[in-house]
Amino acid sequence: DTGVSQNPRHKITKRGQNVTFRCDPISEHNRLYWYRQTLGQGPEFLTYFQNEAQLEKSRLLSDRFSAERPKGSFSTLEIQRTEQGDSAMYLCASSLEAVLGNTIYFGEGSWLTVV
Amino acid sequence: DAKTTQPTSMDCAEGRAANLPCNHSTISGNEYVYWYRQIHSQGPQYIIHGLKNNETNEMASLIITEDRKSSTLILPHATLRDTAVYYCIVRVANFGNEKLTFGTGTRLTIIP
Repeated sequence: DTGVSQNPRHKITKRGQNVTFRCDPISEHNRLYWYRQTLGQGPEFLTYFQNEAQLEKSRLLSDRFSAERPKGSFSTLEIQRTEQGDSAMYLCASSLEAVLGNTIYFGEGSWLTVV
Repeated sequence: DAKTTQPTSMDCAEGRAANLPCNHSTISGNEYVYWYRQIHSQGPQYIIHGLKNNETNEMASLIITEDRKSSTLILPHATLRDTAVYYCIVRVANFGNEKLTFGTGTRLTIIP
């Protein structure tokens, strides 16, 4: 499978614990995005990378959230001191830069439940 | 990015063409129209996009009005597997403004 890969697909954690999600983008895609989606809502942008540089962060990305893409390939999204309001699906997507009207491809998402 | 307006929900009979409208009256000349869909509990799936001309691929057709203020996504022969939420998104086509901004979409239900 050559699509965007995310793991774990499901995570249940206790409030206050830290969780980390991993995303492997489509090979050679240098842009990588993180989104969050709660029930009944469309996906909301969190942040995106071009190679290893984090170029934009949403106000939704509080200081408990950190995203990295150290070698410009896979990315991790860590949530520290989780709260019940963090329960959502976290989506990763990737695209190829320098193409006007390019296509962003999404992974299947990682579901987080904070209990 | 320009905002879009879509009906909240629609039904379509299996085997018929599903026509999903989208209004984007404030669209700028350098903004593309993208369509994605999301089947329950899965990530959004890219369908099609266009700038000015009508577009067709193996999944769907995109009809953009001449003034570009609205568009229609057409699924020519809807199947039960096309039941999903469909998002119409307008996205600026310049570098440095890369993200997609989703609304709440249209929930399309295909009726057997």
